[in-house]
Amino acid sequence: GAVVSQHPSWVICKSGTSVKIECRSLDFQATTMFWYRQFPKQSLMLMATSNEGSKATYEQGVEKDKFLINHASLTLSTLTVTSAHPEDSSFYICSAELAGQETQYFGPGTRLLVL
Amino acid sequence: GESVGLHLPTLSVQEGDNSIINCAYSNSASDYFIWYKQESGKGPQFIIDIRSNMDKRQGQRVTVLLNKTVKHLSLQIAATQPGDSAVYFCAENNAGNMLTFGGGTRLMVKP
Repeated sequence: GAVVSQHPSWVICKSGTSVKIECRSLDFQATTMFWYRQFPKQSLMLMATSNEGSKATYEQGVEKDKFLINHASLTLSTLTVTSAHPEDSSFYICSAELAGQETQYFGPGTRLLVL
Repeated sequence: GESVGLHLPTLSVQEGDNSIINCAYSNSASDYFIWYKQESGKGPQFIIDIRSNMDKRQGQRVTVLLNKTVKHLSLQIAATQPGDSAVYFCAENNAGNMLTFGGGTRLMVKP
């Protein structure tokens, strides 16, 4: 149980392209989902917290107009990297929280490479 | 607390030995702690958790110890196997159910 998927697994795109990443909770409903970014050999850095049906809460230094988050249902959150640039290349990981629990279950991550 | 490093500390152990991975956390108000295992190119995988009203919790081959006095957390892996090779992160859950990750430790198991 508590499986989280992400799609796509890999994205390679040209600079200026917008990229959408999906995060789905497969066997449970998640009122809250989280988006993280991880650079090589570094820890996970929280980008934003996404609650179903409401606007995402962004961490300091994360541009909300650059990283658009939509949490339209209890099983799906999307992160759109708008007009991606090479410095946006990273490993993007989502997690979902079971209602009433504090444990976050992570997706497999999406590696983005912007050329 | 928040930790960003240019490189990960590495723990190298012989297969079959016990491993101890340490973590210092920053927020004395944190009341829930989790250890995650992350293999290369994958998302973090939940290993074990502990609440602040406990100082020890055991799972299958893993034990987590919590010392609130010095804000220290450790993960003990018994009879370490090659499949345990990964990066291990501790995370503290503070206000708003947000997780703050430690910098991570790379565990390398030598056959």
